[in-house]
Amino acid sequence: QSVLTQPPSVSGAPGQRVTISCTGSSSNIGGPYDIHWYQQFPGTAPKLLIYSIKNRPSGVPDRFSGSKSGTSASLAITGLQTEDEADYYCLSFDNILGDFVFGTGTRVTVL
Amino acid sequence: EVQLVESGGGLVQPGGSLRLSCSAPLFTFSDSWMSWVRQAPGKGLEWVTNIKPDGTENKYVDSVKGRFTVSRDNAKKSLFLQMDSLRVEDTAVYYCTRDRGNGAHDYWGQGTLVTVAS
Repeated sequence: QSVLTQPPSVSGAPGQRVTISCTGSSSNIGGPYDIHWYQQFPGTAPKLLIYSIKNRPSGVPDRFSGSKSGTSASLAITGLQTEDEADYYCLSFDNILGDFVFGTGTRVTVL
Repeated sequence: EVQLVESGGGLVQPGGSLRLSCSAPLFTFSDSWMSWVRQAPGKGLEWVTNIKPDGTENKYVDSVKGRFTVSRDNAKKSLFLQMDSLRVEDTAVYYCTRDRGNGAHDYWGQGTLVTVAS
């Protein structure tokens, strides 16, 4: 079981706003470490969606945004679209494990 | 364009060995941290190992320490993962990634499936 906990699933209607939480501790998200988010469609490789808490790589729509508060991070999708149906993972470094660690993953469903 | 191409996956018996390769022809490989990330069937992502651009440092997740060895050949723009004493629980798709050095994996290969079964 990962030290970064995400809700197994979130859902929303097209156009709505959904948020995905990534809850950790002072040894990872609450520390001086970057947090990144990945998007993965079934049967394909993950894709970097947000890096260093809130930055979008070139080509990522601005409806995706990231934030952090204390020992939790969040990914928000505003104006949800059907093509956003995918699995989403957070990642950070953990200084107790001494390793990078992915979150448990969240499946986003568009109703 | 395809940035990373893995090869070497397949079926192997428990206790056996396999060597994965990853070719990175299109970017400055010798300046890049590289990693392996795996995903067991129907499961989430797991960071496995990374290696410094000059190959002098690397880290491993506890579950593979002493069994897996990451290496690189900068002249050939290639990354390798030698997997020994394989276990059933090592069954996964293994992805080669470029890591910006802080966990931001910006390039991913297509993945190669490793199946450990008798």
